[in-house]
Amino acid sequence: NAGVMQNPRHLVRRRGQEARLRCSPMKGHSHVYWYRQLPEEGLKFMVYLQKENIIDESGMPKERFSAEFPKEGPSILRIQQVVRGDSAAYFCASSWGENTEAFFGQGTRLTVV
Amino acid sequence: DQQVKQNSPSLSVQEGRISILNCDYTNSMFDYFLWYKKYPAEGPTFLISISSIKDKNEDGRFTVFLNKSAKHLSLHIVPSQPGDSAVYFCAASEDQAGTALIFGKGTTLSVSS
Repeated sequence: NAGVMQNPRHLVRRRGQEARLRCSPMKGHSHVYWYRQLPEEGLKFMVYLQKENIIDESGMPKERFSAEFPKEGPSILRIQQVVRGDSAAYFCASSWGENTEAFFGQGTRLTVV
Repeated sequence: DQQVKQNSPSLSVQEGRISILNCDYTNSMFDYFLWYKKYPAEGPTFLISISSIKDKNEDGRFTVFLNKSAKHLSLHIVPSQPGDSAVYFCAASEDQAGTALIFGKGTTLSVSS
């Protein structure tokens, strides 16, 4: 049973480009969470999604960031018009249900140049 | 405003000795606490958790203690092993769902042989 898969592992974007980060949850998991870890910081919650629904996006920046978890396919975290401050490690976690432990992927390291 | 604080950025311990990692929180609504371990270039791995109805939870070499009145928890690792060297994150949430986890900045543990 494969774990949470994130790709790409490393992503380099120029300022102003778009970044798309993908997360395939563990088999049977329908809950996905995205976290961001800035340099020298802890992980910060961004968004919680279930299939086709955003449950809690209280940690998402108001502009340029969006997330989806379609009925088929991986969850996507999309960052439009990236800026240097978006450079961070982005982690996805998934869980089977609302009251179960979340398992993390290996993360995508985004570098904006 | 940091709701979960790990005031020691690093800790060095000799193999066989006890490692004690500390965590303080400010939000009295937190009901569920977790510790994650993270190796470089990997996602966080769940280690141990405790709900607010308990003051101690033990799993092998790992014990977490919760002092609700002091809003303080600690992770004890006994005996420490070189393979325990990693960054340890304390996290908290307002329910056991584990959603919207609030993480501390982490403590880097180095266990020398």
